[in-house]
Amino acid sequence: TQLLEQSPQFLSIQEGENLTVYCNSSSVFSSLQWYRQEPGEGPVLLVTVVTGGEVKKLKRLTFQFGDARKDSSLHITAAQPGDTGLYLCAGAIHFGNEKLTFGTGTRLTIIP
Amino acid sequence: EPEVTQTPSHQVTQMGQEVILRCVPISNHLYFYWYRQILGQKVEFLVSFYNNEISEKSEIFDDQFSVERPDGSNFTLKIRSTKLEDSAMYFCASSADGSQSYTFGSGTRLTVV
Repeated sequence: TQLLEQSPQFLSIQEGENLTVYCNSSSVFSSLQWYRQEPGEGPVLLVTVVTGGEVKKLKRLTFQFGDARKDSSLHITAAQPGDTGLYLCAGAIHFGNEKLTFGTGTRLTIIP
Repeated sequence: EPEVTQTPSHQVTQMGQEVILRCVPISNHLYFYWYRQILGQKVEFLVSFYNNEISEKSEIFDDQFSVERPDGSNFTLKIRSTKLEDSAMYFCASSADGSQSYTFGSGTRLTVV
């Protein structure tokens, strides 16, 4: 069973601060995705990383896949209240029609 | 922006009753999935479906569960005899390539009483 542990579980910071959320596993993943989930809604895909060491940027969000493809991080620069939400990482072991294993989630609150 | 549509958004059913959750995946997608999320817990994989058959299913997806793509556009999840522990948000997802780009629906909140 592949497990993805996210840390921290909860994070509350002031607007304008920077933060990093971590997603760790003992398993190697062929790809790792980050989602954001609003209450009562489905997860919305933010990014997919597939290559060890890969870095992708989405405006103020920077995503990195670990060299060994076992871990990933999400860094937010100058956090804004609109960044508030539940962030989920999810990994796929193999390419092609592969189920996702979801992480435990990080609930982020940005205080204006 | 193409969407995965799920109906109903909420379903309340009595224990032991059958329920059918419906999903319309994105039209050119070939891979379809059901996931569920019990309140306060992780999103969990239930089943994947490709080429009109189940590709993989989890331990949760026992004989009480079934999936069907009856008409080329809908993708349904049936629970034959619901239990209290089936109460959860059920998410349908589809993917064009089965690996990197999933789109999730908004979910159906199933409450078994």
